[in-house]
Amino acid sequence: AQSVTQPDIHITVSEGASLELRCNYSYGATPYLFWYVQSPGQGLQLLLKYFSGDTLVQGIKGFEAEFKRSQSSFNLRKPSVHWSDAAEYFCAKNTGGFKTIFGAGTRLFVKA
Amino acid sequence: DAGITQSPRHKVTETGTPVTLRCHQTENHRYMYWYRQDPGHGLRLIHYSYGVKDTDKGEVSDGYSVSRSKTEDFLLTLESATSSQTSVYFCAIRDRDSAYNEQFFGPGTRLTVL
Repeated sequence: AQSVTQPDIHITVSEGASLELRCNYSYGATPYLFWYVQSPGQGLQLLLKYFSGDTLVQGIKGFEAEFKRSQSSFNLRKPSVHWSDAAEYFCAKNTGGFKTIFGAGTRLFVKA
Repeated sequence: DAGITQSPRHKVTETGTPVTLRCHQTENHRYMYWYRQDPGHGLRLIHYSYGVKDTDKGEVSDGYSVSRSKTEDFLLTLESATSSQTSVYFCAIRDRDSAYNEQFFGPGTRLTVL
């Protein structure tokens, strides 16, 4: 079965520090991949998406992600974290039809 | 904003009672989805619809049914609510104009079954 794995349940970074959230997926040479963010009490908002082309994709709010086929990874990065980035982040993958599967999420804490 | 609303936003009910959650969209999207969100599990697909009266099961469909009698509304029914169905429920649509198949989400319904 296809899967999306986010190895880190939670991460704490200092404000202004860089951030990398890990995501690994199974199955699919060139998958549709996504990152979503969920602020407390809110729905999920799409940060960025990848299907093909440049393996470094830019998203909203200063986030970027890099697709690495050899590692089956799609890690999310931000050079300098702001306190407002504290949220839960979900990596997701289209399964080839009309469905999407999600990782379990990584909760980001930002300390002053 | 994909024009998705969910109602109610919060509900507390008792074990054994039927519950219906509504998802409403205003942009004529063909595909609609119901997910539940639980800690440690991310989002899991309950049911989805690919058109009026066309629905199919997801990975956690037991105890749930859905209906879609018109394009804009997708209803999720818990036939006899159980405590294990306490969760946050999200509706989503698939962007019909995108080649990426990304989904956009409603604000969620928090359901507590006592």
